Amino acid sequence: NAGVTQTPKFQVLKTGQSMTLQCAQDMNHNSMYWYRQDPGMGLRLIYYSASEGTTDKGEVPNGYNVSRLNKREFSLRLESAAPSQTSVYFCASSEAFGHRGWGNQPQHFGDGTRLSIL
Amino acid sequence: GIQVEQSPPDLILQEGANSTLRCNFSDSVNNLQWFHQNPWGQLINLFYIPSGTKQNGRLSATTVATERYSLLYISSSQTTDSGVYFCAVGGTASKLTFGTGTRLQVTL
Repeated sequence: NAGVTQTPKFQVLKTGQSMTLQCAQDMNHNSMYWYRQDPGMGLRLIYYSASEGTTDKGEVPNGYNVSRLNKREFSLRLESAAPSQTSVYFCASSEAFGHRGWGNQPQHFGDGTRLSIL
Repeated sequence: GIQVEQSPPDLILQEGANSTLRCNFSDSVNNLQWFHQNPWGQLINLFYIPSGTKQNGRLSATTVATERYSLLYISSSQTTDSGVYFCAVGGTASKLTFGTGTRLQVTL
């Protein structure tokens, strides 16, 4: 079972370039999430999708956009990359459905994308 | 928002030793999860435990929601247990907030 698959695993960008991080899950989960992890910190939520066709901002959404392409796929786009966006990005999914579904299902994570912006 | 505090921040153990990691949180929650981030950076969900006690092999977890804390027990530690352990909590319709983790190193 693949679970949650993220591509690419590594990427180096120049300031101002754009890029889309891809995430797909094969567990038929309703909810999907994008987090970033910076050194010495826990994960911070960028955007989430509580069900197919909906997306909402998390704690640190500035500089990012997302698309819930279908139930399986949730992409994260950096329109104009900045050095402050250098981070490890994780995608996750859970069976939780709808905005009130946060509290009742575990989250499963992909292996992460290590992104460096010069 | 909910505050999450994990202790200790760092822990070094010899193989075979037992340990207890603690997670305190500032408000009532209905979602609490423990994760292990291995040295390769992968995040593995260990427990979904908003209340009560669960066990999985050498690992067990207890959450006392009324007193706003959770404990993760590691018994007979192995070098493969090394990494960072994160606690994450959330209330109804709220985001999942992660603590800053406990970094565990298990030595031979």
